[in-house]
Amino acid sequence: GAVVSQHPSWVICKSGTSVKIECRSLDFQATTMFWYRQFPKQSLMLMATSNEGSKATYEQGVEKDKFLINHASLTLSTLTVTSAHPEDSSFYICSAPSKGNTEAFFGQGTRLTVV
Amino acid sequence: GNSVTQMEGPVTLSEEAFLTINCTYTATGYPSLFWYVQYPGEGLQLLLKATKADDKGSNKGFEATYRKETTSFHLEKGSVQVSDSAVYFCALTYNFNKFYFGSGTKLNVKP
Repeated sequence: GAVVSQHPSWVICKSGTSVKIECRSLDFQATTMFWYRQFPKQSLMLMATSNEGSKATYEQGVEKDKFLINHASLTLSTLTVTSAHPEDSSFYICSAPSKGNTEAFFGQGTRLTVV
Repeated sequence: GNSVTQMEGPVTLSEEAFLTINCTYTATGYPSLFWYVQYPGEGLQLLLKATKADDKGSNKGFEATYRKETTSFHLEKGSVQVSDSAVYFCALTYNFNKFYFGSGTKLNVKP
């Protein structure tokens, strides 16, 4: 069945460095993907909508220059956390709707720790 | 606007106890409702869903009924197991695009 694959599943990086997280749709094309963030003991909050071939749409309060989203193909969206700081440490997860919007598939998530 | 409210946890139960996790929602239209489960260190897994009023979603002994009159989608299970220990999220969506999640309820089941 259709799957969304997210990589890496966890990453530790130093403050000031950038980290790229990939979200791939397997066996189906996703013109739209969604990126969520989950802080410890809190719920998942939508960060941005990734649109293939156009700019991402960011939710209020999310810094677009810090969280760079690229959706260069119909099967891949990337989220780059630039100049990461410890407060960016979180669980990031992507999702994609199926063709015809009959289902949603979530990636496995990426746990980012900035030290 | 759209929002989901679910009971705060953690919920601690003994094995074979009855489980209820309350979930209510506010919606501007007619969303589909979901329960997702997150096991430690893992991503989200769909547990069950209901797409219209009065529908009952069920899976692995869990069930929830879409109640439009009370705007609720409470999760129930008659007899929990230790393996059910996880965080449970109630959520709604229109067209399976943007999801609105509740705050999550951690369930601890003791042997």
